[in-house]
Amino acid sequence: DTAVSQTPKYLVTQMGNDKSIKCEQNLGHDTMYWYKQDSKKFLKIMFSYNNKELIINETVPNRFSPKSPDKAHLNLHINSLELGDSAVYFCASSLGTGGRFTLHFGNGTRLTVT
Amino acid sequence: QQQVKQSPQSLIVQKGGISIINCAYENTAFDYFPWYQQFPGKGPALLIAIRPDVSEKKEGRFTISFNKSAKQFSLHIMDSQPGDSATYFCAASSGISNFGNEKLTFGTGTRLTIIP
Repeated sequence: DTAVSQTPKYLVTQMGNDKSIKCEQNLGHDTMYWYKQDSKKFLKIMFSYNNKELIINETVPNRFSPKSPDKAHLNLHINSLELGDSAVYFCASSLGTGGRFTLHFGNGTRLTVT
Repeated sequence: QQQVKQSPQSLIVQKGGISIINCAYENTAFDYFPWYQQFPGKGPALLIAIRPDVSEKKEGRFTISFNKSAKQFSLHIMDSQPGDSATYFCAASSGISNFGNEKLTFGTGTRLTIIP
């Protein structure tokens, strides 16, 4: 009965490839996010969507393109992968937009670029 | 610019002891301060949160202490247990605007290890 699920859990790929990570939430939330956690555990927001509309875009390279087909899904496509893209990517959702709403995180996708 | 500074980076506490993690912020507009707990291989999960109208909030063994004038807040874990071993993140946000684009700003995390 997973609330926020993302696939795949692990992704190993070579530089220059294109890859996608999928996320789905069954909490009925309006807002979804992508966060990046680097090797030092620092959590940084990348994007947020509310009802399929982009709300936050945190100066992420345009090689990263989120897509929200409906409010329960938010996918992340990454073009021309670079070594520095290696990290754990977390999808999250919340009941509404704004910093006061509790974030519900998925279990992450560990991306390794070789 | 790191708007929420968290210390220490790592902490080792004996079972039964008190674990204390500190955070300091700069933005006086921040008015919501949650703590998230992250176990290995899992995403962070909300542990406890406080608003600045109170100086302390307690939930079981977990207490947030808040000092508005010093712009500091801390997490205290009483009677620390091995199951508390995790990474803890403080965070802060400035509430809700008409645009809904406030985000939660996370601290850098503290890896807590409770030893038997």
